[in-house]
Amino acid sequence: NAGVTQTPKFQVLKTGQSMTLQCAQDMNHNSMYWYRQDPGMGLRLIYYSASEGTTDKGEVPNGYNVSRLNKREFSLRLESAAPSQTSVYFCASTTTRGWSGTTSYNEQFFGPGTRLTVL
Amino acid sequence: SQQGEEDPQALSIQEGENATMNCSYKTSINNLQWYRQNSGRGLVHLILIRSNEREKHSGRLRVTLDTSKKSSSLLITASRAADTASYFCAPISGTYKYIFGTGTRLKVLA
Repeated sequence: NAGVTQTPKFQVLKTGQSMTLQCAQDMNHNSMYWYRQDPGMGLRLIYYSASEGTTDKGEVPNGYNVSRLNKREFSLRLESAAPSQTSVYFCASTTTRGWSGTTSYNEQFFGPGTRLTVL
Repeated sequence: SQQGEEDPQALSIQEGENATMNCSYKTSINNLQWYRQNSGRGLVHLILIRSNEREKHSGRLRVTLDTSKKSSSLLITASRAADTASYFCAPISGTYKYIFGTGTRLKVLA
């Protein structure tokens, strides 16, 4: 049981280049999230996917796109990287389905992060 | 969705002492969660307290919740050097959005 995995671990891009950060979870969670964390700061929510087939904007979605490929995988794409996107990116997942169809907001499980530098 | 605000921003204590950090939020919640982040790593869930609970324990952790004051506190008893980390709260309002604050940076001196 690997939990939440992210690839790559490190990446250096030049301004204007594009790339996709990959995230996968093997815990059968329905909800997945992408965050960024700048040095000495807290996490900021970029996009989230409450369930397979849906995605929604978080606090800082500009410059990013996401794809919920299937229940396991949630990717984050930078179409034209900018130095302001230099950050550590974390993926997380959780189960938000409770019993009898209720919604239950449970603990999040985080991946190890991707350290991205844009020159 | 809402962001929790942790206080203090930084805390330095001696090993064996207790560490207390606080979280305030603005609107009603479904539950409130506390997480720990070791340097450079992903967050790790510590404890979840539901809106109808007032206190919860897990090992050396004690969390309280006062919904009338819209605040929560995390107490770590008999702290160890390994507790050195940043601690974040996430007040969950029931919108699928988990919003984290800037955290409390705890340093435990051996």
